[in-house]
Amino acid sequence: TQLLEQSPQFLSIQEGENLTVYCNSSSVFSSLQWYRQEPGEGPVLLVTVVTGGEVKKLKRLTFQFGDARKDSSLHITAAQPGDTGLYLCAGEADSNYQLIWGAGTKLIIKP
Amino acid sequence: DSGVTQTPKHLITATGQRVTLRCSPRSGDLSVYWYQQSLDQGLQFLIQYYNGEERAKGNILERFSAQQFPDLHSELNLSSLELGDSALYFCASSVAGGGSPLHFGNGTRLTVT
Repeated sequence: TQLLEQSPQFLSIQEGENLTVYCNSSSVFSSLQWYRQEPGEGPVLLVTVVTGGEVKKLKRLTFQFGDARKDSSLHITAAQPGDTGLYLCAGEADSNYQLIWGAGTKLIIKP
Repeated sequence: DSGVTQTPKHLITATGQRVTLRCSPRSGDLSVYWYQQSLDQGLQFLIQYYNGEERAKGNILERFSAQQFPDLHSELNLSSLELGDSALYFCASSVAGGGSPLHFGNGTRLTVT
């Protein structure tokens, strides 16, 4: 069974700080997606990474897919209160193309 | 706006009862997924349909069932409800299923008293 572990589970920092959250597995994924979920709403797709070593940037957010396609990271520069939310990663399993979900990182950015 | 519509937004019911949650997928999407999310938890995959056929099953209880209709809308039926079934239930849709990016509705918050 493929598993995705996200760390940290919870992170509370001050506005303006930088942070990195991780999504790790011992299994290889065909692709990996990152979502952000705000309270009372459904998750919203931020990015999909497909190629090992791929780096994608979305304003202050930088996403990286590991060379071996087993892990991914999300780095936020100069965090803003609007970045607050639950960040979820989901990997597309090589075996059956189903999405495997991490448990999420709850991020709070204090003004 | 994701284009995925879920009704109702809130549902309060008693233990032992049965409820039906409804989902209309984004226009053009053939695949519908149902997820359960308990307080401050991640998403638990329940079931997926693709063009009317069941495609994948996750941790769905036997008391729960779902179907996708010819017009592609889907319903999730929860019966013999227990207190522990209280959660947010999300529907998501995608173009093709598999690892396609998902578009989520805003969920139905179910409270069982």
